[in-house]
Amino acid sequence: GAGVSQSPSNKVTEKGKDVELRCDPISGHTALYWYRQSLGQGLEFLIYFQGNSAPDKSGLPSDRFSAERTGGSVSTLTIQRTQQEDSAVYLCASSQGSGRGGVGEQFFGPGTRLTVL
Amino acid sequence: QKEVEQNSGPLSVPEGAIASLNCTYSDRGSQSFFWYRQYSGKSPELIMFIYSNGDKEDGRFTAQLNKASQYVSLLIRDSQPSDSATYLCAVKTSGNQFYFGTGTSLTVIP
Repeated sequence: GAGVSQSPSNKVTEKGKDVELRCDPISGHTALYWYRQSLGQGLEFLIYFQGNSAPDKSGLPSDRFSAERTGGSVSTLTIQRTQQEDSAVYLCASSQGSGRGGVGEQFFGPGTRLTVL
Repeated sequence: QKEVEQNSGPLSVPEGAIASLNCTYSDRGSQSFFWYRQYSGKSPELIMFIYSNGDKEDGRFTAQLNKASQYVSLLIRDSQPSDSATYLCAVKTSGNQFYFGTGTSLTVIP
């Protein structure tokens, strides 16, 4: 079956503009995660959705960042008033099971490379 | 102190040698441990996970877990140039939180 998909693959925007990044998880996966990875750095956790529970937003770096997950499936990460330091690859992952991280692996999407000029 | 720490490397080994990648974690109650491989410009992909103390082998890969020392490692036997990548250690803590290390860059020299 299809893996995790993300769109767009690349996004170039001007400082101050809003952007929306989309993630389609693997069908049936109840958990969905957003991470950010800057060049040469590790994965920075942003937000986690598990089923119908309230999302864990503890990793969002500022109130300019928000995310939603509609119908327990597709998720959108929105960055308002983008700044140059927001430039990074934004990765989405999904997994089965309950609890953050589930009991199995996270499957990652190909990522969206965001460049803020 | 970071939740998960890895030596950033770079680690270079000759083809055919054993590559040893190490990771330490701070939450003694952590439950699950994962090794991901990330090629340059690509997304992470899972290599192995381990829950119990001791060794777990899968082909050329062996994960080793020592909960008393809060230490997990990945051994790659008969290293191949195609193993050249960044290896990320990830830990699921007692609070059900999931943390990644910053990764170790491995280069296998032909």
